[in-house]
Amino acid sequence: AQTVTQSQPEMSVQEAETVTLSCTYDTSESDYYLFWYKQPPSRQMILVIRQEAYKQQNATENRFSVNFQKAAKSFSLKISDSQLGDAAMYFCAYYTSGTYKYIFGTGTRLKVLA
Amino acid sequence: DTEVTQTPKHLVMGMTNKKSLKCEQHMGHRAMYWYKQKAKKPPELMFVYSYEKLSINESVPSRFSPECPNSSLLNLHLHALQPEDSALYLCASSQASKKGNQPQHFGDGTRLSIL
Repeated sequence: AQTVTQSQPEMSVQEAETVTLSCTYDTSESDYYLFWYKQPPSRQMILVIRQEAYKQQNATENRFSVNFQKAAKSFSLKISDSQLGDAAMYFCAYYTSGTYKYIFGTGTRLKVLA
Repeated sequence: DTEVTQTPKHLVMGMTNKKSLKCEQHMGHRAMYWYKQKAKKPPELMFVYSYEKLSINESVPSRFSPECPNSSLLNLHLHALQPEDSALYLCASSQASKKGNQPQHFGDGTRLSIL
């Protein structure tokens, strides 16, 4: 069975600084997708970034980028120029192609300090 | 803006009550999901509907009964719930592509409290 591990329950970053959130996963599948979702205190889960496993190039969305290390089964999220609005719970999620199942990690709460 | 609308936002019910949660989307998505989320925990998948048919039931107790009356609506009927069922219930939708390249869109959730 696939598992997703986020080893950092909580992280803090100064405004305008850079922070990296860690995610590792375990799978024997070759065709899968990885996601980072953000859940602010207002509750709505929002997609931050996604990565197809077959793509070697790391995904980037504005200030958000990933470091995808397929052999190491690692998928970290880097947030540059952190803003107060980035404060939220961040969930790493895994999806096996051919199913409708998303498996979420335990989450990392990010605090942004002014 | 929330493209997936969930009602009610809050619900308090007794263990003998019958209530329903509602989820609506108008993005043309043909896959819809129910998740249960406890405080400071990740969402746990409960049910998945694809093309209005139940695709996944994650061994959810029968006191939770999902229904997908049409491609825009998803209901979760509740009956004889237990206190441990108190949680945030999230609805999500996505394009019905099993490839996974279509992200999920989540609603704000219904905060359910069982007395």
